[in-house]
Amino acid sequence: DVKVTQSSRYLVKRTGEKVFLECVQDMDHENMFWYRQDPGLGLRLIYFSYDVKMKEKGDIPEGYSVSREKKERFSLILESASTNQTSMYLCASSFRGSDEKLFFGSGTQLSVL
Amino acid sequence: QKEVEQDPGPLSVPEGAIVSLNCTYSNSAFQYFMWYRQYSRKGPELLMYTYSSGNKEDGRFTAQVDKSSKYISLFIRDSQPSDSATYLCAMSAQTGANNLFFGTGTRLTVIP
Repeated sequence: DVKVTQSSRYLVKRTGEKVFLECVQDMDHENMFWYRQDPGLGLRLIYFSYDVKMKEKGDIPEGYSVSREKKERFSLILESASTNQTSMYLCASSFRGSDEKLFFGSGTQLSVL
Repeated sequence: QKEVEQDPGPLSVPEGAIVSLNCTYSNSAFQYFMWYRQYSRKGPELLMYTYSSGNKEDGRFTAQVDKSSKYISLFIRDSQPSDSATYLCAMSAQTGANNLFFGTGTRLTVIP
């Protein structure tokens, strides 16, 4: 069974902290994505990667960075967490050539206090 | 104007009912259309994928695309309590998930 695993289900952090969200997929997918999901705003793309060491900005990259050192792992970094980054963060992956057919993790609910 | 509009609901129906979920869009270039289902405290999962216009059926689910009206629908026949979830439409003009536009989701509850 295909799997995208996000390291934490719930996370509470303080304003100004550096936050790492980890995502691992076991499907040998080339593409990986980070979204945030907020009520009334839907899913918004933060960053994506089509290959190891490669990253591209999505629609809302400000305040975030990413790292993809291995094909199966894609990390989202909040350099200095702020309260407006309180959200549900979803990692997804897909095969090259079936890019839109996303497989999502269960999400990390991040609260920044 | 948003690229994709979706009524957030909530929508409550009795078990066995036919459910119709809808999205409208403004970009006539969209040609890839998807429906994702998201259970509570889970990530979305791809339910239906269609290219261009027409219908696609999978079991109790039918996805319909009307490009002339810029309108897509998901029909659920003989709805079950296990269908209770939030349904997200998504669409794009070209391949590549970085080009995907998501609706905000419709929350559906099927009452036994």
